[in-house]
Amino acid sequence: EADIYQTPRYLVIGTGKKITLECSQTMGHDKMYWYQQDPGMELHLIHYSYGVNSTEKGDLSSESTVSRIRTEHFPLTLESARPSHTSQYLCASSVRDRDQETQYFGPGTRLLVL
Amino acid sequence: DAKTTQPTSMDCAEGRAANLPCNHSTISGNEYVYWYRQIHSQGPQYIIHGLKNNETNEMASLIITEDRKSSTLILPHATLRDTAVYYCIVSFSGGYNKLIFGAGTRLAVHP
Repeated sequence: EADIYQTPRYLVIGTGKKITLECSQTMGHDKMYWYQQDPGMELHLIHYSYGVNSTEKGDLSSESTVSRIRTEHFPLTLESARPSHTSQYLCASSVRDRDQETQYFGPGTRLLVL
Repeated sequence: DAKTTQPTSMDCAEGRAANLPCNHSTISGNEYVYWYRQIHSQGPQYIIHGLKNNETNEMASLIITEDRKSSTLILPHATLRDTAVYYCIVSFSGGYNKLIFGAGTRLAVHP
């Protein structure tokens, strides 16, 4: 099972601030993902990466950006936070198992923008 | 990716088996059935996956019908800690493992 770490776990910040949500994994997984989940709602994929220097946008449009300079890190950045960005952000990485990729999730970051 | 249909909620008595159904009538031949669960807004947890044969691991069993149009996740002896939202997802990796999470089934295990 993968070890996925996310920091901070909780963040309260004012409108207009730049924030970076950290995600790291120690298993050397090539593929990593960011999901967004509003309370009581479904998860939506917002970014993914096949490996170093690879990033793609997911199914849900997001004003956030991501980078993948190192295999183990996949940070997500919001240049100017707004109340509409208030949500939970979940990071995941995947490992291949019998021709399928199984995703393992971190604990999430709960973001509140005032 | 094929769409899945799950009941909105289910109840189960502690110690009894929890059988969670999922319909995926449009599944294609190269798509797997995955089950994840999410406990109280924590990160989703992988449970099990399968293609056409029944599967079992330390957490659960997955029974897939012969026509692959439906499946059942079985938690053999449910505990209070199994209370969670359970997601049935059909996915083909093809490039990246695209998981489309629906609303899932809210399983409540009671004493």
